[in-house]
Amino acid sequence: AQRVTQPEKLLSVFKGAPVELKCNYSYSGSPELFWYVQYSRQRLQLLLRHISRESIKGFTADLNKGETSFHLKKPFAQEEDSAMYYCALGSYGGSQGNLIFGKGTKLSVKP
Amino acid sequence: NAGVTQTPKFQVLKTGQSMTLQCAQDMNHEYMSWYRQDPGMGLRLIHYSVGAGITDQGEVPNGYNVSRSTTEDFPLRLLSAAPSQTSVYFCASTPSGGVYEQYFGPGTRLTVT
Repeated sequence: AQRVTQPEKLLSVFKGAPVELKCNYSYSGSPELFWYVQYSRQRLQLLLRHISRESIKGFTADLNKGETSFHLKKPFAQEEDSAMYYCALGSYGGSQGNLIFGKGTKLSVKP
Repeated sequence: NAGVTQTPKFQVLKTGQSMTLQCAQDMNHEYMSWYRQDPGMGLRLIHYSVGAGITDQGEVPNGYNVSRSTTEDFPLRLLSAAPSQTSVYFCASTPSGGVYEQYFGPGTRLTVT
């Protein structure tokens, strides 16, 4: 079964500290993985996608197929990074286009 | 482009009332979907559509109806509102033919009393 697990509901760090938001997935095929961010009471927006291998707002994420993980990292957190972060898994096949979301991690960056 | 738009932004219903949440997109995306967002539950797929005239159920379809008469619009109907349907509802769209970024609407915050 396809599943996305984000083990931390809340992650609290101080400004300037490194951040790692964990994401593990379960999928038998070749996964398409995304990180979405939702700032307070706003719509979800794409932060990054593993296939693009970009760094957005200082965040990076590497797909580790051996550990089935797609952790989101930033070396120095900023207060404006405070938001909800969702990891999502996309799949090909019958329900192509669907994304399966994790339950989300709320990141709080303290001054 | 306006992207994905949703109306209303806020709504309060009494138990048993019905209503329609509107969703529209102007990006000519074939694929559209509805999610509900609840604390600690993430986003759960309610219904989705792969094109005009084609809809299918997601993870939590009970109590909701959808139809897709045009590429642009994908309304979500609550047939008989229940307090358990208190949630934030997001509509999303994406191009078909692969796994692409989903574009989300601003959401509708629904309270059922």
